[in-house]
Amino acid sequence: AQSVAQPEDQVNVAEGNPLTVKCTYSVSGNPYLFWYVQYPNRGLQFLLKYITGDNLVKGSYGFEAEFNKSQTSFHLKKPSALVSDSALYFCAVSVRDDYKLSFGAGTTVTVRA
Amino acid sequence: NAGVTQTPKFQVLKTGQSMTLQCAQDMNHEYMSWYRQDPGMGLRLIHYSVGAGITDQGEVPNGYNVSRSTTEDFPLRLLSAAPSQTSVYFCASSRGLGPLATDTQYFGPGTRLTVL
Repeated sequence: AQSVAQPEDQVNVAEGNPLTVKCTYSVSGNPYLFWYVQYPNRGLQFLLKYITGDNLVKGSYGFEAEFNKSQTSFHLKKPSALVSDSALYFCAVSVRDDYKLSFGAGTTVTVRA
Repeated sequence: NAGVTQTPKFQVLKTGQSMTLQCAQDMNHEYMSWYRQDPGMGLRLIHYSVGAGITDQGEVPNGYNVSRSTTEDFPLRLLSAAPSQTSVYFCASSRGLGPLATDTQYFGPGTRLTVL
């Protein structure tokens, strides 16, 4: 069975500082990895995904993530956080030919001015 | 395009009542799914469909039914509501062609359900 762990319930950073949200995964086979963001009272929005190829993936709003197969991690990063980045972030994983996407519990990011 | 729409936005039920949460998409997506979101548990897959007439169970299917008579619509039915079904429900869709697992899912705005 596939699973995702987001070890931090909350991440707090000051505006302008780097932001990192951690994600580790467990699958049988090659993983497909996703990051979604949820703003208050809204549905989830896609940020970026890793399918194959370059381990560094760039996505929306200046976010990027690095796939590390040896550490089974897919951490989300942003070089300079904005107050508007405050939201709930979800990491998710699936595998080829499996129609199920498994989500982590989510990490609440708060960026203070 | 309206994307993925869900109705109602809010609903309060009494234990034992039944209801249907509506989900529709206008992107001609083959794959549709229902999730529930509970604090500290992320999103859990309830049911999914890979095309009209085809549905399957996800991680937490008990107490819920689905059908997919058209590509556009994927309603979720609560047969006899229980307090444990108090949650926020999200519908999602994706193209679902080829290696399905790589397709981005598009989410609706959610339905907040309270069962008393």
